[in-house]
Amino acid sequence: QVQLQESGPGLVKPSETLSLTCTVSGGSIGSYFWNWIRQPPGKGLEWLGYISYSGSTNYNPSLKSRVTISVDTSNNQFSLKLSSVTAADTAVYYCARGGGRGGIDPWGQGTLVTVSS
Amino acid sequence: SYVLTQPPSVSVAPGKTARITCGGNNIGSKSVHWYQQKPGQAPVLVIYDDSDRPLGIPERFSGSNSGNTATLTISRVEAGDEADYYCQVWDSSSDHVVFGGGTKLTVL
Repeated sequence: QVQLQESGPGLVKPSETLSLTCTVSGGSIGSYFWNWIRQPPGKGLEWLGYISYSGSTNYNPSLKSRVTISVDTSNNQFSLKLSSVTAADTAVYYCARGGGRGGIDPWGQGTLVTVSS
Repeated sequence: SYVLTQPPSVSVAPGKTARITCGGNNIGSKSVHWYQQKPGQAPVLVIYDDSDRPLGIPERFSGSNSGNTATLTISRVEAGDEADYYCQVWDSSSDHVVFGGGTKLTVL
């Protein structure tokens, strides 16, 4: 059974870069799309972008200039970098597999990242 | 960009049927997925590809999709079904993932 786990700092200063890693266990990172999705406190889900097993990426246009997703197949991990953060980037960040047919499943448990000085 | 519209809230009495809609332009031509999210937890896939249930999801959960509206139906609603529900599609014109704004289901 595939499981995903997010890791990274829980506190980031304004204007700095938020960096998170998602570790995939119980299966290979190959042959799927791997997503980052976030949820500000009390709000809905926002898709940030995905990376495919081959390394191609696609990002939410509203964040495109600030988001970078990369994959490390040797360690079964993929990562998120979000630059120039502000308080509006405070959210629970989820990593998750899929997106097209079959839906998005599974999801990581999520990690809260707070942007504050 | 493609937009999905959900009602902010739906209320239903225990034992009754809840229907949560997801509107989008010609959404019937897309595969729609539904997620349940309880407070403090990650979303869980409850319906995929319009009407299929993942293993472990009760048969009380069903889905349909036609025209400009997809619907998640929860029969014989229980107190434990109280949660936020999100619809999602893949927008093939942009290869983007799109979520609806979410619907809070309240069990009276």
